[in-house]
Amino acid sequence: QKEVEQNSGPLSVPEGAIASLNCTYSDRGSQSFFWYRQYSGKSPELIMSIYSNGDKEDGRFTAQLNKASQYVSLLIRDSQPSDSATYLCAVKRSSASKIIFGSGTRLSIRP
Amino acid sequence: DTGVSQDPRHKITKRGQNVTFRCDPISEHNRLYWYRQTLGQGPEFLTYFQNEAQLEKSRLLSDRFSAERPKGSFSTLEIQRTEQGDSAMYLCANDPGQESTGELFFGEGSRLTVL
Repeated sequence: QKEVEQNSGPLSVPEGAIASLNCTYSDRGSQSFFWYRQYSGKSPELIMSIYSNGDKEDGRFTAQLNKASQYVSLLIRDSQPSDSATYLCAVKRSSASKIIFGSGTRLSIRP
Repeated sequence: DTGVSQDPRHKITKRGQNVTFRCDPISEHNRLYWYRQTLGQGPEFLTYFQNEAQLEKSRLLSDRFSAERPKGSFSTLEIQRTEQGDSAMYLCANDPGQESTGELFFGEGSRLTVL
């Protein structure tokens, strides 16, 4: 079992709709959770971090965490063509531990 | 520009040669990570430093790989006796705060091609 699992996609969403990206993790002791966006040929950039159960909103982005289900999701509202990228879920167990990435979900926003 | 610099950006080498990559983080005395990424995959953890101490190294990493971070400043990643399977993008990332948040700033990467 992979430590962080994501559906590789591609996920195709019409412009203006909500894109929903999902991630599960295997280590129940994980404490910190992150979503990174990676455009083709570029390095990952952090878009959201979440540390406690529930929702965290930042502009058009909402991260959701359910530690009991070991599940993290990212919602992108009013999807724009510029949101087309690979979205990477990352998990950290504690302050002294490494950060593990999933394989990413490729998102395509169609006009 | 995240402020994390990597050099060289591209390296083409022949199988069996040694290569070294350098990473200059945003600030010193914090956490610095090395990852490897191949096409269609997420970043694969290689190793991690807290200041100059190497805290963890991936069990998947062969002994041909070595990393250093002298004095908690820049870091180097050396690959000895390169193999074609080492071809990948090597990413350096910095967690620059006083406290570890896990929020990483990535450099632009060093792309390695082994012929």
